[in-house]
Amino acid sequence: KNEVEQSPQNLTAQEGEFITINCSYSVGISALHWLQQHPGGGIVSLFMLSSGKKKHGRLIATINIQEKHSSLHITASHPRDSAVYICAVRSDTGNQFYFGTGTSLTVIP
Amino acid sequence: DAGVIQSPRHEVTEMGQEVTLRCKPISGHNSLFWYRQTMMRGLELLIYFNNNVPIDDSGMPEDRFSAKMPNASFSTLKIQPSEPRDSAVYFCASSLELAGGHGELFFGEGSRLTVL
Repeated sequence: KNEVEQSPQNLTAQEGEFITINCSYSVGISALHWLQQHPGGGIVSLFMLSSGKKKHGRLIATINIQEKHSSLHITASHPRDSAVYICAVRSDTGNQFYFGTGTSLTVIP
Repeated sequence: DAGVIQSPRHEVTEMGQEVTLRCKPISGHNSLFWYRQTMMRGLELLIYFNNNVPIDDSGMPEDRFSAKMPNASFSTLKIQPSEPRDSAVYFCASSLELAGGHGELFFGEGSRLTVL
């Protein structure tokens, strides 16, 4: 049983397209993180959310606590956005992290 | 800011050997996390320290794994004896957590361990 489910697993898009990655979770959470992992392997935190919506540049993250669902949107996608995007939730006890299996995004020029 | 610093970046060792991975968190951060990433299991939290105290080590696979944080600027993850199934990338992350809230995670570059 996976506490965090992401979809899609793989996504190929043309440059400029609008992209949505979804994350559903089944546990009570105190925070949800969207992480980006590039082919070189390093991990960067994009967003930490506990409610509502956040925006950084072309990236937007939303969360619906009642529905236990979050989305990551990329507007005007670019080849440099190609990476694996990982959804992670922190349990409401604060001590456990659960990770999605990641969405592998490829943006074609 | 130098970010989270991990060493070594790569380690190849033989089964049965002791492995020590090191992490220097961002100065001023009070929480430190050790994660492991494998193809089969993805990312997993191994242990979480807050103010140098281990808060949750339920993710540590077995007694062969141990982690310490002797001070706010240094942590180690030790595997003794190592086994081939320990081969993975080990990430350290730190954050600043204030009362009632969680902080943004900052990850190190990871230590890629191969146990032959």
